Amino acid sequence: DIVMTQSPDSLAVSLGERATVNCKSSQSVLYSANNKNYLAWYQQKPGQPPKLLIYWASTRESGVPDRFSGSGSGTDFTLTISSLQAEDVAVYYCQQYLTTLITFGQGTRLEIK
Amino acid sequence: QVQLVQSGAEVKTPGASLKVSCKAFGYTFTDYYIHWVRQAPGQGLEWMGWISPVSGDTGFTQKFQGRVTMTRDTSISTAYMDLSRLTSDDTAVYYCARADLPRTINYYFNYWGQGTVVTVSS
Repeated sequence: DIVMTQSPDSLAVSLGERATVNCKSSQSVLYSANNKNYLAWYQQKPGQPPKLLIYWASTRESGVPDRFSGSGSGTDFTLTISSLQAEDVAVYYCQQYLTTLITFGQGTRLEIK
Repeated sequence: QVQLVQSGAEVKTPGASLKVSCKAFGYTFTDYYIHWVRQAPGQGLEWMGWISPVSGDTGFTQKFQGRVTMTRDTSISTAYMDLSRLTSDDTAVYYCARADLPRTINYYFNYWGQGTVVTVSS
């Protein structure tokens, strides 16, 4: 199985500041046949199911604010929130879907400083 | 619009079995794989497996081999996840989710059920 490791486990950022979450996969999730990274990011708020934010490592889901962006390739990926808003307090997960054995990172809890 | 509606909360005793349902609305049920993901209290997301609504073929992570069964009833657009020999470690919220591309197992999930809270306690 591909192991997904996120860092940090938790993060406190001031309102309006940048927040960065990292995700590392134990093997590349870049599929050479189509040059796509099979990596998604989700946001989960208490009592709610996860919400898709980013797929193909950097494509924002429809309706997701443009302060959210994804980057990276191969084994190293980053989710960036350019200017943290109060409603962004949540747990963020990366997910690889390169294989039919899908795996998630352990999650990063984002709070307001 | 697309919706996945899951069955209600369950309380089970250790050793019992669990059956959670996931009813699909707003799309052709047989076009999209359904996945099951669980989340223990205060923990992260744990992917369990998938089912093909067309063929009934399934795939699971090794952790649940021998204990999980995934089925579907296409006549009522519903997928089911059965988990046997429950222990307290199976206390979790269980989610169904839909892959975003038709007839594709490994894809991101753009629709999720609301979750089913399962408590295993003696």
